[in-house]
Amino acid sequence: GQNIDQPTEMTATEGAIVQINCTYQTSGFNGLFWYQQHAGEAPTFLSYNVLDGLEEKGRFSSFLSRSKGYSYLLLKELQMKDSASYLCAVRDRDYKLSFGAGTTVTVRA
Amino acid sequence: IAGITQAPTSQILAAGRRMTLRCTQDMRHNAMYWYRQDLGLGLRLIHYSNTAGTTGKGEVPDGYSVSRANTDDFPLTLASAVPSQTSVYFCASSPSGGDSGTDTQYFGPGTRLTVL
Repeated sequence: GQNIDQPTEMTATEGAIVQINCTYQTSGFNGLFWYQQHAGEAPTFLSYNVLDGLEEKGRFSSFLSRSKGYSYLLLKELQMKDSASYLCAVRDRDYKLSFGAGTTVTVRA
Repeated sequence: IAGITQAPTSQILAAGRRMTLRCTQDMRHNAMYWYRQDLGLGLRLIHYSNTAGTTGKGEVPDGYSVSRANTDDFPLTLASAVPSQTSVYFCASSPSGGDSGTDTQYFGPGTRLTVL
């Protein structure tokens, strides 16, 4: 199985930058996903990394180091609408996703 | 385009009752999944189907069953509900079942189930 750890909560100010870390131990690795989930809603796809390095997509970037079992999601120029839970998920050797418990980000004015 | 729909939106159920949660997708995705989401535990895979006619067990399959008679529908049945099955249930689908590029999973709106 997988062991995926991410912080429970983070708070940041509007316009600031927040980095959400995710560490994992995996039996096989076929990619890492980040999802955003607003309260009471479904998770929606944010990013995917399978090779080491940084993937940038607008205000959001995701980084992966496979040798360290480590990823982070970087949220820049925070907006109030970015208040949500962010889920780290690892795709294992059977191509199934295992999710971390999620990090709740609160953006304050 | 509706994407993935789930029914009901929420349900309160007496323990011991049988319940089927419905999931339908119109994206012609091959793979479908059922997850439960509990506070502090994240999403956990219950059952999955890589293609119509096949199903597999996930991390927490006990007490649940699924069927995949066609591409679009993937119902989840609780044969005899227990209070520990109180949770939010999400259905998801993906184009290929995992081994094709990103094969992103798309989630339905969820069903909030309370078993008393």
